Amino acid sequence: EPEVTQTPSHQVTQMGQEVILRCVPISNHLYFYWYRQILGQKVEFLVSFYNNEISEKSEIFDDQFSVERPDGSNFTLKIRSTKLEDSAMYFCASTGQYQETQYFGPGTRLLVL
Amino acid sequence: AQSVTQPDIHITVSEGASLELRCNYSYGATPYLFWYVQSPGQGLQLLLKYFSGDTLVQGIKGFEAEFKRSQSSFNLRKPSVHWSDAAEYFCAVGADRAAGNKLTFGGGTRVLVKP
Repeated sequence: EPEVTQTPSHQVTQMGQEVILRCVPISNHLYFYWYRQILGQKVEFLVSFYNNEISEKSEIFDDQFSVERPDGSNFTLKIRSTKLEDSAMYFCASTGQYQETQYFGPGTRLLVL
Repeated sequence: AQSVTQPDIHITVSEGASLELRCNYSYGATPYLFWYVQSPGQGLQLLLKYFSGDTLVQGIKGFEAEFKRSQSSFNLRKPSVHWSDAAEYFCAVGADRAAGNKLTFGGGTRVLVKP
C-alpha cells in the first residue's frame, strides 16, 4: 500500500540554524500539507499546497517557514532560523484529487537546542 | 472557526472490555470527520471517516463511530479492546475542500489497556 514517507525521522539542531524537512507524498496525490505537534499539545495545521503554490497557511506559518516541491516527488518544509519553540513533531500529509482523506507520514521529530 | 474537543485525556480499559472515546466538534457547515490513531513512535493512521450518508461508519481494526448532528458529536467505539489498541486517538474535522481542506484536531485521548 502506498504511503507517505518523511526524512529524517529525528533531527537535532542549534537555535538559529536552518533545517529542511523532507516528505515524499503518495505518488498520484495532488494536495500536500504540513502539520506540527508540540509535545503534549494538539496537532496543528501549518500549510497546504496545491499546484505549486500555497493554498492556505496558519498564523504559525510565518516568514521563517517556506515550502517547496522541488521535483515531482519531494515536498519540503524549510525553517530558516530555528527557535527553541520550533521543537515539535512535524507531519507531512497528502490527498488525492478529491481532497477527501489525508494520509500522514510517520513524522520528523525536530529538537532545537 | 472550526474546533474539536476530546473531553477525556486518558482512558484506561481492561482487555476485552468495550471502549468509547468522545469527540465534539464545532463547525458551521456539514463537517468532514475523522478519527486517527497514533501508536508510540508512529505517524497518524486513519481509522475511519464520515462525509455524508449513514451516520454509523465502520473503520479498520474493529472500530466504528457514530455521527450525531444534534449533539455535534462523533464518538468512537470498539466492542472489545485488544492490548494492541493502546495508543493515542485523535478526532479531527476537515474544512471545506475549497479552503484547502485543512484538518483541525482535538487534543487526543490516550488509551491504556490493562491485561
